Amino acid sequence: AQRVTQPEKLLSVFKGAPVELKCNYSYSGSPELFWYVQYSRQRLQLLLRHISRESIKGFTADLNKGETSFHLKKPFAQEEDSAMYYCALSSGGSNYKLTFGKGTLLTVNP
Amino acid sequence: NAGVTQTPKFRILKIGQSMTLQCAQDMNHNYMYWYRQDPGMGLKLIYYSVGAGITDKGEVPNGYNVSRSTTEDFPLRLELAAPSQTSVYFCASSYSGSGNSYEQYFGPGTRLTVT
Repeated sequence: AQRVTQPEKLLSVFKGAPVELKCNYSYSGSPELFWYVQYSRQRLQLLLRHISRESIKGFTADLNKGETSFHLKKPFAQEEDSAMYYCALSSGGSNYKLTFGKGTLLTVNP
Repeated sequence: NAGVTQTPKFRILKIGQSMTLQCAQDMNHNYMYWYRQDPGMGLKLIYYSVGAGITDKGEVPNGYNVSRSTTEDFPLRLELAAPSQTSVYFCASSYSGSGNSYEQYFGPGTRLTVT
């Protein structure tokens, strides 16, 4: 069975500080990993996906298959980054279902 | 495009009542999903559909039913509401195509309370 673990329910940092939201997964095959974000009073939306190897809003995430991790990082946090972040896994191929972690609430203080 | 829409936004049900949560998308997506989100628990998949006329169970299907008569609509039915079904319900859709990683587009959610 596939599982996604986000060990931190809450994460609080100051503006300008680096931030790292942790995500670990368990899956025996080749997964596809995603980060979704939900800003206050907005709907859940995709932030980035590992296969695109992109940086969105200054955030990056690298898939580490050895450590089965997909941590989300940003070198300088901004107040507008405050949101709920969910890591999600798809087993790829024709499997379209996502397994979500429990989420981490990031608060960036001024 | 309106994207994924859900109605109602809020609802309070008494134990044993039934209701249908509506979900519609105007993006011509073939895949649609229903999730529930309990406090501190992330999202859990209830049911999903890969196209009109095709549905299947997710992780937590008990107490729910779905149908998919059109590409656009994917209603979720609660037949005998129980307090354990108090949750926030999200509908989502996605499109499977070449180069697509099945990005899911979410609706705004329905907050349901069963008392």
